[in-house]
Amino acid sequence: DTEVTQTPKHLVMGMTNKKSLKCEQHMGHRAMYWYKQKAKKPPELMFVYSYEKLSINESVPSRFSPECPNSSLLNLHLHALQPEDSALYLCASSRTGTTNEKLFFGSGTQLSVL
Amino acid sequence: GNSVTQMEGPVTLSEEAFLTINCTYTATGYPSLFWYVQYPGEGLQLLLKATKADDKGSNKGFEATYRKETTSFHLEKGSVQVSDSAVYFCARGGTSGSRLTFGEGTQLTVNP
Repeated sequence: DTEVTQTPKHLVMGMTNKKSLKCEQHMGHRAMYWYKQKAKKPPELMFVYSYEKLSINESVPSRFSPECPNSSLLNLHLHALQPEDSALYLCASSRTGTTNEKLFFGSGTQLSVL
Repeated sequence: GNSVTQMEGPVTLSEEAFLTINCTYTATGYPSLFWYVQYPGEGLQLLLKATKADDKGSNKGFEATYRKETTSFHLEKGSVQVSDSAVYFCARGGTSGSRLTFGEGTQLTVNP
């Protein structure tokens, strides 16, 4: 199994809603990532978990809250988002998190904030 | 600073044409270099990578050579197919930590 599975594929939410994005991998990878991608732009790194500990937070607003319950799962909790947060949210994983490793990406969650 | 500069798109080619997408980087040290591809409606997939100077990455007919003297990692394919239509991202590994820096991406459309 070389897949990273993200759910849901599409999400529409209001600015007062609370929702969660989920990501799962069963490759035994110990590094997991959240990226945000706007249309026609490259992905922007948000968070990195390494061995289930948050190792990088790229100054992301607190309305985005990551969680890594175990080595296979990564969540992104969303609360009080703004319309400008509408984007494709990509989860990725890699074996240990070093810079020369291949990243495996999920297909993403397309988020629309109304 | 550390950055990746990619050839601007979009690029439109006919089937069987030769493809080059230019990529140059700046960095302290010798980072790993990557090409990722994103098909419509999907996440990114690693196409090829090179980890040191003069390495050539290759996959599915695509090639790129790590050129330290010109700080470049240009993507080439001798004969493109309609199925190669996608967005291509050049990326540079960080010299420490796990940060990848992506170029802006190049949209490729191949017409039959």
